Amino acid sequence: QKEVEQDPGPLSVPEGAIVSLNCTYSNSAFQYFMWYRQYSRKGPELLMYTYSSGNKEDGRFTAQVDKSSKYISLFIRDSQPSDSATYLCAMTFTGTASKLTFGTGTRLQVTL
Amino acid sequence: DAGVIQSPRHEVTEMGQEVTLRCKPISGHDYLFWYRQTMMRGLELLIYFNNNVPIDDSGMPEDRFSAKMPNASFSTLKIQPSEPRDSAVYFCASSFLEAAVETQYFGPGTRLLVL
Repeated sequence: QKEVEQDPGPLSVPEGAIVSLNCTYSNSAFQYFMWYRQYSRKGPELLMYTYSSGNKEDGRFTAQVDKSSKYISLFIRDSQPSDSATYLCAMTFTGTASKLTFGTGTRLQVTL
Repeated sequence: DAGVIQSPRHEVTEMGQEVTLRCKPISGHDYLFWYRQTMMRGLELLIYFNNNVPIDDSGMPEDRFSAKMPNASFSTLKIQPSEPRDSAVYFCASSFLEAAVETQYFGPGTRLLVL
């Protein structure tokens, strides 16, 4: 079993829909949780970064962490075609990039 | 700043050939990372450097892989001899502030195909 599991998709939604992307993990020692967006043929870029449990909101994006269930989510409100990308979850014990464990990514397509 | 620069962007080679991937980190960043991304395994850290010194190479899959950082503005990842299972996208990233996640930036990647 992988340390971090993520449904690969693809997930296709119409423009304006609310999108829910999820990851589960097995190691309860993870403390920092990230979501990256990766456009086709580009490198990942950090989208959301949360510490421990709870919610964090940034514009149309909300990251949610439930440590008791070992489950993290990314919600995208009012999805746009420009949100079409692969979304990677990642987590670490320390907050440093040297110890990141990534999910395999979920491909999202937002259609007009 | 132009961001992290990688070359070549695409490489097609035959099994057994030597492959060299290149990276120029963002100026002022003192950490450099090499990752490999595949559909099956996702993004995996191969090796990272701090101030040009390799700190952790435990992710390097085998002796066929080697990485160097001769100065603060240049790093190479070499595969010799290459094998079809090395086909992947290789990313370089750089960061500062003790490699804080929020300071890390990825390059565009090199797409490697070994026939």
